[in-house]
Amino acid sequence: QSVLTQPPSASGTPGQRVTISCSGTTSNIGRNFVNWYQVLPGTAPKLLIFSNFQRPSGVPDRFSGSKSGTSASLAISGLQSEDEADYYCGAWDDSLNGNVFGTGTKVTVL
Amino acid sequence: QVQLVQSGSELKKPGASVKVSCKASGYTFSRHAMNWVRQAPGQGLEWMGWINTNTGNPAYAQGFTGRFVFSLDTSVSTAYLQITSLKAEDTAVYYCARDLGNPLAGIIDYWGLGTLVTVSS
Repeated sequence: QSVLTQPPSASGTPGQRVTISCSGTTSNIGRNFVNWYQVLPGTAPKLLIFSNFQRPSGVPDRFSGSKSGTSASLAISGLQSEDEADYYCGAWDDSLNGNVFGTGTKVTVL
Repeated sequence: QVQLVQSGSELKKPGASVKVSCKASGYTFSRHAMNWVRQAPGQGLEWMGWINTNTGNPAYAQGFTGRFVFSLDTSVSTAYLQITSLKAEDTAVYYCARDLGNPLAGIIDYWGLGTLVTVSS
């Protein structure tokens, strides 16, 4: 069961900016870092953003993350066809004493 | 480079058991905890828990106690997930996923490709 809430879908044309929200509570996003994962069909999930806004080596700077209070956002600027994937936010939850994930957002490039 | 190679798909009958393996390479196994994550058909990611790859101590998320067992064979840098008394609702893709730290840092930095476990009579 997902504890963090994301919109089920988002879309844009190539070159546009798309933003995905992730809503949580004080026990998870409010107190802990948020990470974002990209899941392309048939591939292993990939860490896209960690600690709210940090990008692992190799992740294009078109991807950016932010956090405010109990919500976080992932922005994809200059949308490309290869960005079509599912995106999940994740954070530690102090009440559950475990990792929690978002409901997932499917990004479609029109 | 870091690799997590999981065992192949499994088809099991209800009541049977399954053991999924996850062989790690490209890093020091004991320096990174291993998470297990489930994705049921059409559903999102669900964290099952983790195992400390230094001590072998597992911790299970709510809903994954009793029938789910995490274990290690450190001699071959491999983590295992065993599920007993399989039910149809256990049908899912099971991922092993490396944590940035050990104990947990709460950041999963590498994932396996996943193992599909299908439970059907």
